[in-house]
Amino acid sequence: GAVVSQHPSWVICKSGTSVKIECRSLDFQATTMFWYRQFPKQSLMLMATSNEGSKATYEQGVEKDKFLINHASLTLSTLTVTSAHPEDSSFYICSAISPTGAYEQYFGPGTRLTVT
Amino acid sequence: GQQLNQSPQSMFIQEGEDVSMNCTSSSIFNTWLWYKQDPGEGPVLLIALYKAGELTSNGRLTAQFGITRKDSFLNISASIPSDVGIYFCAGPYSGAGSYQLTFGKGTKLSVIP
Repeated sequence: GAVVSQHPSWVICKSGTSVKIECRSLDFQATTMFWYRQFPKQSLMLMATSNEGSKATYEQGVEKDKFLINHASLTLSTLTVTSAHPEDSSFYICSAISPTGAYEQYFGPGTRLTVT
Repeated sequence: GQQLNQSPQSMFIQEGEDVSMNCTSSSIFNTWLWYKQDPGEGPVLLIALYKAGELTSNGRLTAQFGITRKDSFLNISASIPSDVGIYFCAGPYSGAGSYQLTFGKGTKLSVIP
């Protein structure tokens, strides 16, 4: 149980275009999901908290107009990187709160974004 | 802010050896989580600890919640090549009620066959 998927697993896009990444909880409902960014050889950096049916909460320094988050259902959250630039190239990982509660987060396999 | 300090940053061990790594904080945590991340993958939850002094095992892995609530330890016994990866400790932001986690910088484990 508690499986989280992400799609796509990797994507290459041209500078100036937008890219959408999907995060799904496959066997449970997730009212709260999180989006992280990870640079090579670094830890996970929380970008935003995605709440079903309400606006996402962004961490300080994360541009909400650039990283659009939509949590339209209890099993799907999407992250859209708008007008992507090479510096947006990174590994993006989503997670969802365990259905058993507490603080356990289950992570998706990540999406490698390369902007050329 | 709440920071988690992990040590060592990296370690090279011989297959079959036991491994020990730890995570410390200047703040009290009520929950400690240990994750493993393989290259190009998302982190996988290994062990969750909820009580000070708690000792929990998951196969060859054992983790302890420090009595001061400011540290946690992860031990791996009889290491094997598939133990290679980065191990992260994590704990919830204090008082947030938002279930956000803060992560340590990780311990990179290499196992020499």
